[in-house]
Amino acid sequence: KQEVTQIPAALSVPEGENLVLNCSFTDSAIYNLQWFRQDPGKGLTSLLLIQSSQREQTSGRLNASLDKSSGRSTLYIAASQPGDSATYLCAVSGRDDKIIFGKGTRLHILP
Amino acid sequence: DAGITQSPRYKITETGRQVTLMCHQTWSHSYMFWYRQDLGHGLRLIYYSAAADITDKGEVPDGYVVSRSKTENFPLTLESATRSQTSVYFCASSEPAGLAGAVGTQYFGPGTRLTVL
Repeated sequence: KQEVTQIPAALSVPEGENLVLNCSFTDSAIYNLQWFRQDPGKGLTSLLLIQSSQREQTSGRLNASLDKSSGRSTLYIAASQPGDSATYLCAVSGRDDKIIFGKGTRLHILP
Repeated sequence: DAGITQSPRYKITETGRQVTLMCHQTWSHSYMFWYRQDLGHGLRLIYYSAAADITDKGEVPDGYVVSRSKTENFPLTLESATRSQTSVYFCASSEPAGLAGAVGTQYFGPGTRLTVL
């Protein structure tokens, strides 16, 4: 059974720092991995989707990498800003179309 | 251009009542999903649909029923609500992506906060 883990559960960093969020999964037979952000009381917003054949995707200050063989993905945020404060979730999609989410990392950027 | 909408946004009901949560998307995406989000459990998949008239169970389907007679609608029914079904429910949609036609980028609705007394 696929399990997705995100560590740490919470993270506080000063504004302007670069940071890395981690996501690990137990079954490497995935089709893709997606990163989302969720603001309090809101729905999820897709940030990046990495296909299993890809190693990374970039969007603005965000870069997501995928190492399928080791069951890991990272989300790199460059030059963090207070507006980046949110909960970040990763989700994997397997052969059965079922989507499994991690529990998220709550990020707080200190002004 | 509404995208994906959910109704109602808030609902209070009593144990044993039937409740239907609505989800509507304007993109004609083939995939649709229902999740529940609870403290300590995160987001869990309840049911999903790869196309109209095709539905399948997710991780926590017990106590829920879905249907998808039209591509744009995916209602979720709690046949006899229980207190353990108090949660925030999210609907999402997606088009297939990649060579395998697997689930692509998911777009989420704003959620329905359901309280069962």
